Amino acid sequence: NAGVTQTPKFRVLKTGQSMTLLCAQDMNHEYMYWYRQDPGMGLRLIHYSVGEGTTAKGEVPDGYNVSRLKKQNFLLGLESAAPSQTSVYFCASSDLPGSQVGQPQHFGDGTRLSIL
Amino acid sequence: AQKITQTQPGMFVQEKEAVTLDCTYDTSDPSYGLFWYKQPSSGEMIFLIYQGSYDQQNATEGRYSLNFQKARKSANLVISASQLGDSAMYFCAMREGFLSGATNKLIFGTGTLLAVQP
Repeated sequence: NAGVTQTPKFRVLKTGQSMTLLCAQDMNHEYMYWYRQDPGMGLRLIHYSVGEGTTAKGEVPDGYNVSRLKKQNFLLGLESAAPSQTSVYFCASSDLPGSQVGQPQHFGDGTRLSIL
Repeated sequence: AQKITQTQPGMFVQEKEAVTLDCTYDTSDPSYGLFWYKQPSSGEMIFLIYQGSYDQQNATEGRYSLNFQKARKSANLVISASQLGDSAMYFCAMREGFLSGATNKLIFGTGTLLAVQP
């Protein structure tokens, strides 16, 4: 029962390097999300997708790109890493929301990313 | 704009006692949902409980209940009979309403760190 799997779990980058974080879900969920968590600020939405082939910007999208080529995968890319992107990144997925039915987002275990 | 406020950065509670974690929200959309998540020191996000804006009764899940006061725009989490394993960060989150599009996006509060003392 894997749920949402994020790789890698830890990564250290130098300023200016690029990398891709991978999120995979096995629950056949339509919706997927990328958040970042910084101390004292809760989780903030970076980008999200409401289906294969679609992406949209969240609250803090600058410096990140995403792709959803397959329904089960949602990739988060950093083209040129900056120290301000040091954070814990969470991927989540959810089923289609009903009008009043709670469809909780299911989270991966997070990726701790440090930019030096 | 939609907003979630958790005013308690940290709280202590004695084991076996009940504790209330505060959450207030702001939205102009009549259809919304409220969630509580638990984040233990290991870092994962665990869904606890959900309350829909049209639900007539307060949500309950085992030892967790949600004190939903719609007029006051508050959705406080009540944990009964606290256990040592309840020590964690707790986040309140709001799903934006369907007037804003059915994206199921969540807006999170800043969290409350709960410490259960033996």
